[in-house]
Amino acid sequence: AQTVTQSQPEMSVQEAETVTLSCTYDTSESDYYLFWYKQPPSRQMILVIRQEAYKQQNATENRFSVNFQKAAKSFSLKISDSQLGDAAMYFCAYRSQAGTALIFGKGTTLSVSS
Amino acid sequence: NAGVMQNPRHLVRRRGQEARLRCSPMKGHSHVYWYRQLPEEGLKFMVYLQKENIIDESGMPKERFSAEFPKEGPSILRIQQVVRGDSAAYFCASSPGRLMAEQYFGPGTRLTVT
Repeated sequence: AQTVTQSQPEMSVQEAETVTLSCTYDTSESDYYLFWYKQPPSRQMILVIRQEAYKQQNATENRFSVNFQKAAKSFSLKISDSQLGDAAMYFCAYRSQAGTALIFGKGTTLSVSS
Repeated sequence: NAGVMQNPRHLVRRRGQEARLRCSPMKGHSHVYWYRQLPEEGLKFMVYLQKENIIDESGMPKERFSAEFPKEGPSILRIQQVVRGDSAAYFCASSPGRLMAEQYFGPGTRLTVT
């Protein structure tokens, strides 16, 4: 069974600084998708970024980028130029290409200070 | 461009009562997924439905829980004879097709069982 592990329950960063959130996963499959979701205090789940396993190039969305290391089964999220609005719980998620369910990690709470 | 709609946002039930949670997917989406989030946990998959069909219910508790997605109207997650352990946030997500990677989430329903 696939699992997703986020080893940092909490992280903090100062405004304008860069922070990296870690995620590792375990799977025997070769084709899959990885995601980072943001859950602010409103509890709405917001898709931040996605990565297809077959793509070697790391995905980037504005200030958000990932470091995808397929062999190491690692998928970290880098937030550059952090803003107060980035404060939220961040979840790493996995979905096999043939599957339907998203498998989530337990999340990392990110706090941003001014 | 309405997103995924869920209602009610908050639901309070006494032990033994029934809870009905509704989800209207995004326009053009015919695939619905239900997830449950317990306090301090990530989301856990419950069930995946297409119109009039349950495709994958591997995450659904065997008793008291049921889901449907009728030809007309929203998807319904029903919990009969609720217990305190059912208190959680229940999220619905939708996608336009099974092979589409992203799932778009609604704001969730917070169920409290007293």
